[in-house]
Amino acid sequence: QVQLQESGPGLVKPSETLSLTCDVSGGSISGYYWSWIRQPPGKGLEYIGYSYYSGSTHYHPSLKSRATISVDTSKNQFFLNLNSVTAADTAVYFCARVSIFAVNWYFDLWGRGTLVTVSS
Amino acid sequence: VMTQSPDTLSVSPGERATLSCRASQSVSTNLAWYQQRPGQAPRLIIFGASTRATGIPARFSGSGSGTEFTLTISSLQSEDFAVYYCQHYRTFGQGTKVEIK
Repeated sequence: QVQLQESGPGLVKPSETLSLTCDVSGGSISGYYWSWIRQPPGKGLEYIGYSYYSGSTHYHPSLKSRATISVDTSKNQFFLNLNSVTAADTAVYFCARVSIFAVNWYFDLWGRGTLVTVSS
Repeated sequence: VMTQSPDTLSVSPGERATLSCRASQSVSTNLAWYQQRPGQAPRLIIFGASTRATGIPARFSGSGSGTEFTLTISSLQSEDFAVYYCQHYRTFGQGTKVEIK
């Protein structure tokens, strides 16, 4: 079955760029939308953005100027870059697959998540 | 905006739990529910307001349309004590924690 796995540095310095990778195994990355969602410690879920496998993207308005999501179909991976990070970006970051069925739009597969701490 | 109630629900094992989600404007039936156990990723349990995801037990049911939605867990098992989120497109509710009474 399809599985997602996040990877990347667990510690990033303020003002630097957070870079994460999501490996998609057990299935093709093609044909789907792929998303990043984060969860600050003790808080709820926050949508960051998504990329279609072919490259079209959408971002949360509050992160649009700092976030970039990209897809590499040859490696079955997708990526998140978030620049100019502050302590407020400390969170568990999840990668997820978006499924669209009729008018329904939902996240049907999730990675386990990776904690990223922003600190000097 | 998606608003869930209550913030915390205390229920005894074997009892029924009823969770609510309200949308600030009509979302038709484009609503999903997720379960998140401590230290784990969220898991899709309901999509399309009432369709159970693959592998989800029948004790979970969803209902509603427009702006008012309900997730019902008919007989709480130990593994059901968790936080539940509703979601419409790119917006999540704040979550309801279901705890042991």
